[in-house]
Parts: sequence; structure tokens; C-alpha cells
Amino acid sequence: KAGVTQTPRYLIKTRGQQVTLSCSPISGHRSVSWYQQTPGQGLQFLFEYFSETQRNKGNFPGRFSGRQFSNSRSEMNVSTLELGDSALYLCASSLWASSQETQYFGPGTRLLVL
Amino acid sequence: LAKTTQPISMDSYEGQEVNITCSHNNIATNDYITWYQQFPSQGPRFIIQGYKTKVTNEVASLFIPADRKSSTLSLPRVSLSDTAVYYCLGKSPMNYGGSQGNLIFGKGTKLSVKP
Repeated sequence: KAGVTQTPRYLIKTRGQQVTLSCSPISGHRSVSWYQQTPGQGLQFLFEYFSETQRNKGNFPGRFSGRQFSNSRSEMNVSTLELGDSALYLCASSLWASSQETQYFGPGTRLLVL
Repeated sequence: LAKTTQPISMDSYEGQEVNITCSHNNIATNDYITWYQQFPSQGPRFIIQGYKTKVTNEVASLFIPADRKSSTLSLPRVSLSDTAVYYCLGKSPMNYGGSQGNLIFGKGTKLSVKP
């Protein structure tokens, strides 16, 4: 079974631009979560989607948004990019939106904001 | 919230057993303890998860005492490829009926395995 896939793997943008990242969960998985990883802050939770609905949200500004499609694929969008948004963005999927379900991570998208 | 504390770094040699202990004093009754491994520029990889006592899989063992205020990840006979950052995690579920609950990542333990 294929793992979580994320596209693109690498991205370079400039300040003020917007970016959309894509995540395809493991086949059959319906819950998708997004995390941001930076050297200074470590891994931080962004949001979680299940059945096309946002179920949980971390402490990030409104410039960060996401959505989930009926096939469970998810996208996250960052508008008005700032230098501090440079990070590894990780997507994780799980079978259900249950706190005991294991989350499986993708390889991440490395975003560099210049 | 289950905030976790673990050593920043550990050194070991190939073939040794490595034990990484994590403290989670505020763990909730329903929280599981989960460990992930992460290599540079890759996503975290699930290693093991447990609620109490001992759990073992093909990769590691997890020991959780009765009070569940700490847990120990045991890696038998480590190799150079086990050099990575290891995260002990708690979960902060919004509600058990409708959310996965986000993983709370600490700083992790950077394990360096030497030949």
C-alpha cells in the first residue's frame, strides 16, 4: 500500500506570494492532519480534517488555511507569505478521526520564502 | 495536555541496547504514549504506541510504569541507521468523538550511534 504523498517536495517563493501544498493520504485513510516543522519551533500542529470538515486547529494565523476533498486528499494554503513561513510542511493521515489512531506522515514539502 | 520531557541527546555504539526515557507528568487518563523516529528532511515514522505495562514490536519495546508518568523506549542492538531524532508524544484530543487529536511534539532526543 502506498504511503502518504505530498507535492511538491520543494518550493521557493517570495514574500507576499501565496502557496498551495497538496497531500494524498494512504488509501482508505480519511483523516488528514498538517504540521509545520522549523528548527526554532520544532513540529507544530496546524489543522486536522475529516470528512471534508476541519475538526481541530492549531495556533496559527488566518493566513494558513486548508481543505479536504471528498476523496480525502487535502490541500493547505498559505497567503501573504512571510520569511518565517520557511519550513518543512508535513501531512499525516490516519484511518479515522479517533485519538487512538496512529498517524502516518508523508515526506513533507520544503518551503523556502525569500 | 500531555507535555513530554526527554533528554536532548544520547550517544551509543553499534550493537548496544539504547533506552530513552520520557516523562509525561500530566498525561490524561485516556492518552496513549506514542514514539516516532525522524531522519533529517523526512517525515516522522511511527515506532510504537502503548497505554500501560509493556508493548513490543519488531522494532522496539515500550515500558510504561503503573503511574504512567514516564515511559521508556528500548531499542535493542542499535545500528548506525538508527541515528535519528526520537520523539515521545502525548495527544491533545479536542473530543473523542470527532477529532484525531493533534500530536504534541517536544524537542525530541537526538540519538547518535557510533561504530
